[in-house]
Amino acid sequence: EPEVTQTPSHQVTQMGQEVILRCVPISNHLYFYWYRQILGQKVEFLVSFYNNEISEKSEIFDDQFSVERPDGSNFTLKIRSTKLEDSAMYFCASSGGQRNQPQHFGDGTRLSIL
Amino acid sequence: GESVGLHLPTLSVQEGDNSIINCAYSNSASDYFIWYKQESGKGPQFIIDIRSNMDKRQGQRVTVLLNKTVKHLSLQIAATQPGDSAVYFCAEKGWGSQGNLIFGKGTKLSVKP
Repeated sequence: EPEVTQTPSHQVTQMGQEVILRCVPISNHLYFYWYRQILGQKVEFLVSFYNNEISEKSEIFDDQFSVERPDGSNFTLKIRSTKLEDSAMYFCASSGGQRNQPQHFGDGTRLSIL
Repeated sequence: GESVGLHLPTLSVQEGDNSIINCAYSNSASDYFIWYKQESGKGPQFIIDIRSNMDKRQGQRVTVLLNKTVKHLSLQIAATQPGDSAVYFCAEKGWGSQGNLIFGKGTKLSVKP
């Protein structure tokens, strides 16, 4: 069964550094998403992406964050000037081309900011 | 320092029993709902979804019930197995949203063999 894959599984970065989290969505999906989950808390929406542009974003997704689809298969989340509070699990998800289809999640990248 | 997290409701059931996990959602305008299962160290795994024009949907061993009057969603798991042990989240999507899923707090299901 096709799945969303994320790399790396764990990223350790010094505070203030930039980090890029990578995702390969399911191949025929058209909508892509990033979520984060701080340890022990709810999964929170960050951003959705469709047709090579951001379609929706949350208050969390400020100028520190950016997303890109650099080629036909990858979807990335860049976090500039990382802060301690950016430490979390970051999940990528994708869904098909029609409204109200389930989002399928990867297993996440654990980001640890030191 | 001390970490503060959500205290998850826990449901403990005997293997073979039926489980019912409940969720109250927040937005009466939400038009799509999903149940996810999350095992330790893994991402949310899709279980079943339901649109707001329905009140019940069945899958393999699972049933989702939607009560829009009281903004309540439930997941029923038949003949619960040890492999069902996980945290279960409901998620809602607001009408008009492109896909911003709003997740609930989660319920931890423990299945005793």
